[in-house]
Formats: sequence, C-alpha cells, structure tokens
Amino acid sequence: ILNVEQSPQSLHVQEGDSTNFTCSFPSSNFYALHWYRWETAKSPEALFVMTLNGDEKKKGRISATLNTKEGYSYLYIKGSQPEDSATYLCASLSGGSNYKLTFGKGTLLTVNP
Amino acid sequence: NAGVMQNPRHLVRRRGQEARLRCSPMKGHSHVYWYRQLPEEGLKFMVYLQKENIIDESGMPKERFSAEFPKEGPSILRIQQVVRGDSAAYFCASSELAKNIQYFGAGTRLSVL
Repeated sequence: ILNVEQSPQSLHVQEGDSTNFTCSFPSSNFYALHWYRWETAKSPEALFVMTLNGDEKKKGRISATLNTKEGYSYLYIKGSQPEDSATYLCASLSGGSNYKLTFGKGTLLTVNP
Repeated sequence: NAGVMQNPRHLVRRRGQEARLRCSPMKGHSHVYWYRQLPEEGLKFMVYLQKENIIDESGMPKERFSAEFPKEGPSILRIQQVVRGDSAAYFCASSELAKNIQYFGAGTRLSVL
C-alpha cells in the first residue's frame, strides 16, 4: 500500500447504532497514525495519535485500534449520536518522516436521529 | 488558548492576481505546516516551516508558490499569478515539536475566477 485508504467513503447509521470504519496505510518505516474528526466549515479536530502495534485508544464513545504490521487501523463509535456526524480522517506518518502527514480522503458519517 | 487562526476564510481572485493566505499558529507553537485539498482529494502536504526557516517544501509547486514564517507575525502562503487550478482549500497546522500532534486551522477556500 502506497497511499492511505479509508473505507467506506460514506456511511449512514441510525442514532444508537455502533459503527466502525477502516484506515489502511503503508506499513514500511511507520512512525505514527493520526485520527481527526472534521465537521464542515470547522477545523479538523485531533482525536488520537497512535504509534505502537496493538495500541488501543479511547475517548468517550470513540475508540481506535492499530495494527502496524499489516498497516491498518479501525475507528469505532459506540451508540452513535447525531453530533457524531462528521468526516473522520486518518493520516499516517511513515517513509522516514515524522512530520509529513499523508491523509486519506475520509469517511463521511451521517447519524440520523 | 486560541487555536490555529487562518484568514481570510474565503478568498476570490481573478486569474493572474496574487493570493496571500495567513496563518497564526497556536501560542507556543513554532512549527507550521501547510496542506492543500483539491476538489475530491484528500489533504496533501505542501510545506513545513519553523521560525524564519523552510524545512521541507517538497509538496509545494516550484513556480508561483512561496511560504514564509517570519520571526514576528503569521506564516504566509503566497501564490502569484493564480490560475483556475489553484482553486482549493488551504489548511495550516501547527505543533509544539515536529513529531507532536498537529493542530489545524479551519482553512482558507481560494476560488480563482
């Protein structure tokens, strides 16, 4: 994998559903994986920075896991709420750079009340 | 502590004009990054600056684009003689150290007529 890929591209769920989406990234010379939450017309908001294989991070109802050997990360949202509606971006630091974020195109989550 | 401030939020230019985009990093942050999002694309790295120094401009087009981060004042991304293909959202981020989490501004949307 040369690029950062996110799937699905978009997702519609009902309030209360739990959901998850995937980020695939280059596993060679891996440094870190960042997750951001981005609401329209606002700044992307940092959720997690993950560096170690097997890392799990949690913030409220949102959690993420990291597999650096196979190059993927999952983001989970438990009991989705309408305010969770946003684009979720992942970005990797790899290829020897510890500052040049390579972003996926994001997963657009819409939570219907 | 104010976040990363970008202005203007929207900028309209005619072909051939100059565009100046400003970014004030978070207080205490001396590392600034510029990213560009073209339509239907993910955020792409352009340039990384520290105070008075360009560290990495590998993502920036070689012609017409320049960036600076002076000792005093905001970082400036300057695009000379804009063309329609420069229409995009330009995001600035800052961090305390190069390897730390990057905090983003809300972006400047440039439209070239």
